[in-house]
Formats: sequence, structure tokens, C-alpha cells
Amino acid sequence: GAVVSQHPSRVICKSGTSVKIECRSLDFQATTMFWYRQFPKQSLMLMATSNEGSKATYEQGVEKDKFLINHASLTLSTLTVTSAHPEDSSFYICSASEGLVSSTDTQYFGPGTRLTVL
Amino acid sequence: GENVEQHPSTLSVQEGDSAVIKCTYSDSASNYFPWYKQELGKGPQLIIDIRSNVGEKKDQRIAVTLNKTAKHFSLHITETQPEDSAVYFCAATPPYNFNKFYFGSGTKLNVKP
Repeated sequence: GAVVSQHPSRVICKSGTSVKIECRSLDFQATTMFWYRQFPKQSLMLMATSNEGSKATYEQGVEKDKFLINHASLTLSTLTVTSAHPEDSSFYICSASEGLVSSTDTQYFGPGTRLTVL
Repeated sequence: GENVEQHPSTLSVQEGDSAVIKCTYSDSASNYFPWYKQELGKGPQLIIDIRSNVGEKKDQRIAVTLNKTAKHFSLHITETQPEDSAVYFCAATPPYNFNKFYFGSGTKLNVKP
């Protein structure tokens, strides 16, 4: 149980284009979904937290107009990198939590998406 | 906010030996401590977690210990196998910010056959 999928696993795009990454919880309903960014040999950096039907909460320093997050259902969240540039190249990982908003519940991570912007 | 430090950054052990990874946290209010294993090019996978109301938890070859007084927790892997080779991350979560996991910097474990 507790499987999270991401699509695509790899994407290469040209500078200036937009890229959408999907995150799905396959066997549970995710009250909250999280988006992380990870640079090579570094830890995970939380970008934003999203609750179904609400606007995402972005971490300090993360541009909300550049990284658009939508959590339209309890099983799907999307991250759109708008007007991507080479510095946006990174490994993007989503996670999902099925717990109640008022409790601490574990996060189950997706397999990640490798974005390369040329 | 919470600050989590993880040591060592790299760890090499011989197959069959034990491996121990340690994390310290700064906020005494933190009450949930998961450990994740990340293989190259993949997302982190939860391997074990512990809440602040217990001091130790075991799952086969993996165990986690928590010392709330000293504010540190450790991952213990016994009888290591080559497939245990990966990067391991600890995290801590305070109840006032239940959504946010504060991650350690990671430990690259290499199990030599």
C-alpha cells in the first residue's frame, strides 16, 4: 500500500517552455501533497505544500508564479514549471500524506522526475 | 524552526557488519522521526519511523532509537547486505508545523561485498 506515482520520470525541454509534472496517490486519498526539489548529492528541499481544493503554501524563496501547483483531487497534484530555464533543471519529487490536517502523518514519496532544460 | 544534523555523511562497512547513522534535532517539541532510503535516481522510500512516545522500534534488521533528553535518534542496520547501499535521510517534525519534515543532509552507505 501507500504508493505514489509521478509522470513523467524524465523530461527534456527547451528554455522558455512550460513543463507539467503529475503526482498521483494510487491506493490512498492524499489530504496533503508536497513538492520537493533535490540537487545532486543534496538533501530534499521543500518547495510547497498543497491541500486538496486549496491554494498551495510555498516555502520562502520559491516563486509561486514560476512553480504552479494544483491539487484538484485527493489523488492528483500537478506541478507546472513555467518558462523553464537551465537553472530549473533538477530532480523534482512529490510526496503524499493521507493523515488528518491536525495530525502528523508520514509522507510517501513518488519516484521523482528528472527535468533537464536546454 | 527545527534544525536536523546527520552524521556521518558517508559510511563504508563490510557486508555482514552493522551500520549506525545518527541525527540530532534542535526543537524539543518534535515528535515524529522518519527514516528514508533513497537509491540513485529514485524517490525516497520510508524504511522505519518512530514517534516520541517510544524509545525504540525494530523491523527485522532495521531499528531506530530515540533519546528525547539528548534530542538525538539513530538508525541501526544489522547484518548489512550490498542492497542496503543507498543514501539514508532522517527527518524530524514538530507538532506546530505538522506538514513540514525537516530533513538531515543524508548519509551515503556503501556495503562492500
